Amino acid sequence: EPEVTQTPSHQVTQMGQEVILRCVPISNHLYFYWYRQILGQKVEFLVSFYNNEISEKSEIFDDQFSVERPDGSNFTLKIRSTKLEDSAMYFCASSERGQGYEQYFGPGTRLTVT
Amino acid sequence: SQQGEEDPQALSIQEGENATMNCSYKTSINNLQWYRQNSGRGLVHLILIRSNEREKHSGRLRVTLDTSKKSSSLLITASRAADTASYFCATDSFYNTDKLIFGTGTRLQVFP
Repeated sequence: EPEVTQTPSHQVTQMGQEVILRCVPISNHLYFYWYRQILGQKVEFLVSFYNNEISEKSEIFDDQFSVERPDGSNFTLKIRSTKLEDSAMYFCASSERGQGYEQYFGPGTRLTVT
Repeated sequence: SQQGEEDPQALSIQEGENATMNCSYKTSINNLQWYRQNSGRGLVHLILIRSNEREKHSGRLRVTLDTSKKSSSLLITASRAADTASYFCATDSFYNTDKLIFGTGTRLQVFP
């Protein structure tokens, strides 16, 4: 069964460093998302992406964050200058048709900022 | 803003028993999805129920939706130790957005 994959599974970085989290959505899906979950807290929406542009973003998704679909298969989340509070599990998700349809999540990347 | 809240926060049962988890939300929705998360792992999609549906089944899972009460329930029948996980509901918004708003989750422990 097709699934969303994410790499790396765990990333440790120092405060102020740039990180890129990578995702390969399900191949026929057109809508892509990033969410995050700080330890012990709710899963929070970050950004949605369709047709090579951001369709919606949350207040969390400030200028330090960016997303890109550099080729036909990858979808990346970049954090330019990480902060301690960026430590979280980051989930990529994809959907075939967007609103009203299932979103399938990847296994997550645990980001630890020291 | 809309918010999903599950109850109970934690539930412990014996294998073979049924587990019922509830989710409430505040604003109109188009659909509601349930996910399972094993400790520290990814979110596994379980079931999606649309606002015009009242009940949906998938294997041992039964989901109900009451839009008048803005609530949903997830029933797992004949539970197994492998069902031990956290369960979350996630709602979209009626207003042309596909972002999901997640609830706080129910931690289910099934003892063998």
